[in-house]
Amino acid sequence: GAVVSQHPSWVICKSGTSVKIECRSLDFQATTMFWYRQFPKQSLMLMATSNEGSKATYEQGVEKDKFLINHASLTLSTLTVTSAHPEDSSFYICSALPDGGYTFGSGTRLTVV
Amino acid sequence: AQSVTQPDIHITVSEGASLELRCNYSYGATPYLFWYVQSPGQGLQLLLKYFSGDTLVQGIKGFEAEFKRSQSSFNLRKPSVHWSDAAEYFCAVGGGGADGLTFGKGTHLIIQP
Repeated sequence: GAVVSQHPSWVICKSGTSVKIECRSLDFQATTMFWYRQFPKQSLMLMATSNEGSKATYEQGVEKDKFLINHASLTLSTLTVTSAHPEDSSFYICSALPDGGYTFGSGTRLTVV
Repeated sequence: AQSVTQPDIHITVSEGASLELRCNYSYGATPYLFWYVQSPGQGLQLLLKYFSGDTLVQGIKGFEAEFKRSQSSFNLRKPSVHWSDAAEYFCAVGGGGADGLTFGKGTHLIIQP
């Protein structure tokens, strides 16, 4: 079946630094990818929709200058958390839409210290 | 606006007993409905999905769900749970295409020996 690979699986960074998370579709092309955030013991919230070759669409309340999304190719979308702060610590999950339904990556646990 | 309600935050079931997890949705058009399972610190695994057709949907791991349009529900069932079913279960709704998913808050399933 369709596989979405997400890296890194966990990352610890210092406050004020930037972190890049990659999301790859391994055996299909993804013109659209989605980025979600999940705080501990909470549900997933859609942050943004990433579109290959165009600007991402951000959900209300998500700072586009803080969460930079680049969808450089049909198999790769990246999320960069810029100037990270402890409140950005969360579980970030990407998703793509191969035929038949949404497939999710394994997630990235970001801890900002 | 679309929404998903999972009224049970926690459910405890004895191993071998039957299970039903409730999900109600609000969506302005024909919904695409999903059930996902998440183990601690992991990504999401798709259990089953409903797009159209037969309202009783079979999924992996012995799970099934029934779409009831009149009740705006998509409840998940399993006739006999196993200890390995202990996890967090999320119901989600979307419109397909370029739309992301809206998730419920999740139901934490505990299996008693």
